[in-house]
Amino acid sequence: QKEVEQDPGPLSVPEGAIVSLNCTYSNSAFQYFMWYRQYSRKGPELLMYTYSSGNKEDGRFTAQVDKSSKYISLFIRDSQPSDSATYLCAMNTGFQKLVFGTGTRLLVSP
Amino acid sequence: DTAVSQTPKYLVTQMGNDKSIKCEQNLGHDTMYWYKQDSKKFLKIMFSYNNKELIINETVPNRFSPKSPDKAHLNLHINSLELGDSAVYFCASSQDFGTPTYEQYFGPGTRLTVT
Repeated sequence: QKEVEQDPGPLSVPEGAIVSLNCTYSNSAFQYFMWYRQYSRKGPELLMYTYSSGNKEDGRFTAQVDKSSKYISLFIRDSQPSDSATYLCAMNTGFQKLVFGTGTRLLVSP
Repeated sequence: DTAVSQTPKYLVTQMGNDKSIKCEQNLGHDTMYWYKQDSKKFLKIMFSYNNKELIINETVPNRFSPKSPDKAHLNLHINSLELGDSAVYFCASSQDFGTPTYEQYFGPGTRLTVT
């Protein structure tokens, strides 16, 4: 069993929909939680990060962490075709090694 | 301005060959990484260097040898290539070691195909 589990998708939604992307994890020592976005044939880029439990909002994106359930989410409001990408969750204990999920491929159709 | 660059972008080679991938960052970061992303998009760390010193060495075959001539460069040499080495290899960098490194900057990747 992987330390971080993520549904690979693809998740197909129409433009304007609210998207929910999720990861579960097994290591209770994880403290920092990140979401990376990866466009096709490109390197991942950091979208958002949160520390410990709680919510964080940045424009159309909201990241949620529930440490008691070992569950993190990324919500995208008013999704756009330009949001079509693979979304990778990542987490660590505060030291260098990031552990990634397998990524969820999102397709937003016009 | 390119932050993290890798060469080559594509690499097609035969089994048994030896090849190298180069990485350079111009962000002034102290820490650099190599990741392997398989066909299912799973991204796994292989190595990490901080100021030219190896700090993370995951369970990777000895055929893979990283080299950091200075803190702006991290190269990956692969001996005796195997079919299973086919993947996309990403170089990344971050500012510091010992602080939460949520901000890792990734290069564009090198797509390695072993035939």
